[in-house]
Amino acid sequence: QVQLVQSGSELKKPGASVKVSCKASGYTFTSYAMNWVRQAPGQGLEWMGWINTNTGNPTYAQGFTGRFVFSLDTSVSTAYLQISSLKAEDTAVYYCASRLTGDPYFDYWGQGTLVTVSS
Amino acid sequence: SYVLTQPPSVSVAPGKTARITCGGNNIGSKSVHWYQQKPGQAPVLVIYYDSDRPSGIPERFSGSNSGNTATLTISRVEAGDEADYYCQVWDSSSDHPVVFGGGTKLTVL
Repeated sequence: QVQLVQSGSELKKPGASVKVSCKASGYTFTSYAMNWVRQAPGQGLEWMGWINTNTGNPTYAQGFTGRFVFSLDTSVSTAYLQISSLKAEDTAVYYCASRLTGDPYFDYWGQGTLVTVSS
Repeated sequence: SYVLTQPPSVSVAPGKTARITCGGNNIGSKSVHWYQQKPGQAPVLVIYYDSDRPSGIPERFSGSNSGNTATLTISRVEAGDEADYYCQVWDSSSDHPVVFGGGTKLTVL
């Protein structure tokens, strides 16, 4: 069965970096793009962008350029989200999500990774 | 970019019908998808393409979309339906194609 399994919670200091992983299984990883979605505490869902898992080409939504980097390791069917120069406002749960039907909705989600930025 | 507007909260008694709206400019011309998110859990797709249900989603969940409003309807509401609900569209004409509504907290009284 399809699974997206994310890495565990992270506690980081302001200015540090964090790398969140999302390991896919149960389907051909390079056939479907991987999306990232942010959810700040008590807030709604915010689409961050996606990465083409075939070419590695990322697309970043407005507000997620510069400090946010999507990457892949196709040998282990894993997508990564790296955030540098962390700020307190980066504190959020980060989800990876896929559209395995190719349709414009997300049918599979990772369990989420809480990133807490605090001194 | 395209904006989706949801009421922050909706309350309903058990056994009654809950209606959660999602407003957007001419949203009826777009396909709307709905997610349910319970505390501490990832979102789950409950309605896609306005009114289709994924397998495993109860028939009590239905959707409609016309004009400037899409609606998620939950019939015979149960305590387990208490959750946040988000609408989503894909705006293919935009460089920010994925848009979520702000979410609605459904409270079962």
